Amino acid sequence: DGGITQSPKYLFRKEGQNVTLSCEQNLNHDAMYWYRQDPGQGLRLIYYSQIVNDFQKGDIAEGYSVSREKKESFPLTVTSAQKNPTAFYLCASSLGGNYYEQYFGPGTRLTVT
Amino acid sequence: AQRVTQPEKLLSVFKGAPVELKCNYSYSGSPELFWYVQYSRQRLQLLLRHISRESIKGFTADLNKGETSFHLKKPFAQEEDSAMYYCALSPSNTGKLIFGQGTTLQVKP
Repeated sequence: DGGITQSPKYLFRKEGQNVTLSCEQNLNHDAMYWYRQDPGQGLRLIYYSQIVNDFQKGDIAEGYSVSREKKESFPLTVTSAQKNPTAFYLCASSLGGNYYEQYFGPGTRLTVT
Repeated sequence: AQRVTQPEKLLSVFKGAPVELKCNYSYSGSPELFWYVQYSRQRLQLLLRHISRESIKGFTADLNKGETSFHLKKPFAQEEDSAMYYCALSPSNTGKLIFGQGTTLQVKP
C-alpha cells in the first residue's frame, strides 16, 4: 500500500482540545475527501475538495474544518465544537468526477475523553 | 433525498452457496453506483462500478432503475469473500459518494 497515507493511526485527546488529522497522497489526484465511519452508520462525508484552494461541506461538516493549500495534502481539524468526535476517520482521493474510483487511506482512530 | 440503504447488517452463508447483498437507492437523476469492499485489516477498496458492467472476483451487480436497486451477487461464495461490503451512489457532477450502512458477509466453511 502506498499512495495515500494518514497519520497517526491512533490519536487520543482530551475533551475541549482541537486536533488535526493528517492526510497525504502522491497519486496526483485532484479530489480529496474526509469520511467518518461509525458502526452501523457506514461512511458519512465530512468535507471534500475537488481542487486546490477549494473545498465543500459534506453531510456532517459541523465541528470540523479543513484546508487544501497543496494538492497532496488535505488535513482535517476536529474542533471542540464537534459533539461526538470519537470515531474512525477515513481520507480518500480520486481523479475527480463521478466515474473515478476513490482510493482510501488506512484511517485514524480518534478517541476523545 | 439522496440515500443508499443496505437492509442487512450481517449476511451469513456457507461456502458454495449463492450470495446476494441488497442495495436500494433514492436519487432522482441517473445514478452512478459502486460497490466497495473492506477485507479484514485492509483498506476500503473499489469492487465494481455499474458503468463498467464487469465481473470482479465472480461478483456482478445489475442496476435496476425500476426497483432502484443495485444488488451484488455471486453464484458460489468463497471463504475469502468474507468482508464488509458498502454500496455507494455518486450524484451527478459532484464527485462525492453517498454510502450505505454496510453489510458484513460471513462465509462459513
